[in-house]
Formats: sequence, structure tokens, C-alpha cells
Amino acid sequence: KAGVTQTPRYLIKTRGQQVTLSCSPISGHRSVSWYQQTPGQGLQFLFEYFSETQRNKGNFPGRFSGRQFSNSRSEMNVSTLELGDSALYLCASSSGFTGVETQYFGPGTRLLVL
Amino acid sequence: EDKVVQSPLSLVVHEGDTVTLNCSYEVTNFRSLLWYKQEKKAPTFLFMLTSSGIEKKSGRLSSILDKKELSSILNITATQTGDSAIYLCAVEALTQGGSEKLVFGKGTKLTVNP
Repeated sequence: KAGVTQTPRYLIKTRGQQVTLSCSPISGHRSVSWYQQTPGQGLQFLFEYFSETQRNKGNFPGRFSGRQFSNSRSEMNVSTLELGDSALYLCASSSGFTGVETQYFGPGTRLLVL
Repeated sequence: EDKVVQSPLSLVVHEGDTVTLNCSYEVTNFRSLLWYKQEKKAPTFLFMLTSSGIEKKSGRLSSILDKKELSSILNITATQTGDSAIYLCAVEALTQGGSEKLVFGKGTKLTVNP
């Protein structure tokens, strides 16, 4: 079974631009969660999508948004990028019905904002 | 606000040493505590603890939860260079909407020198 895939793996943007990151969950999984990881703040929850609906949301500004498609693939968008948005963005997939211990993480997208 | 604190933030040991990593938490609606190992990008699941005082063990790694003290420890005995990684502690909590969320600590960076 293929694992969680994220594209692109690395990205360099400049302040003010916007970026879209993609996450393809494990086949059959319907839940996708997004996290931001920085050295200063650690891993922070952004949002979770389940069956195309946002089920849960962390404490991030409205510049961070996401969506999920009918095939469970999810995209995350960050508008008006700031230097502080430089981070590793991880997504994790699960069936959505079992516990969080069955959540599998993707390799992440490393975003650098200049 | 839900909070997970890990200590120490970093640790350098020699092969063969035993290490203890700490995690304390303050969350409402606690459900479980999880430990992950993050070597390069994707965190991989180690343990899930729900009951106080019951040790989970996997090879040289073991973990125990103390619900009274709102804390957990992760022990690694006879450390090897392959144990070098960031160890993440996360607490699963129920949101007001009834779904689960994971709150992560900042991690402990363990370096095992030969």
C-alpha cells in the first residue's frame, strides 16, 4: 500500500506570494490533517478534513486555508506569505473512524519564504 | 489553552547509555498520549497510552503514563546511534465539536554518539 505523498517536497517563495501544497492520503483513508513544524513552535495543528468537510481547525490566521477533494486528496493554501511561514508542512492521513494512533504522516513539504 | 511540554529539549549521550525523556501536559478532555520518533521528515508512531501506570514496551523502548501527575516518560535503554532522532509527545484531546485533535510538544532532540 502506498504511503502518504506530499508535493512539492521543497519550495522557495518570496514574501507576499501565495503557495499551494498537496497531500495524497493512503488509499481508503478519508481524513487528512495538516501540521506546521518550526524549530520554535514545534508541530502545530492547522486543520483536518474528512469527507471534503473541515472537521477541526487550529489557531492559525485566515491566510491558511485548505480543501479536500472527493478522492480525499487535500490541498493547503497560504496567501500573502510571511517570513515566519517558513516551515515544514506535514500532512497525515487516517481512515477517520479509527483512533489517532492509526494516523500516518507524509514526508512533508519544506517551505522557505525569502 | 491546551499545552504539552517536553524536556529536555535536547540531549547528547553515548552509545549504551539509558535515557529518559519527559512529557507533561495540560489539556481539557484528555483521551490519550502518544509518542512519535521523527528521524528525517515523517514522524513515525511509537506508543499510545491511555491508562495510568501501565507500561508499554517495544524492544529497548518503553513508556508509562501518570494521569495523576499529567505526565509521561519515554525510556530508551542501551541506546544506539540509530536512536538519534527527535522524539515527539502528543496528547489527543476531544474538541468541543466532538472530534479528536493532537496537541504536540516541541520535541526532544536526542543525539547518540558512538
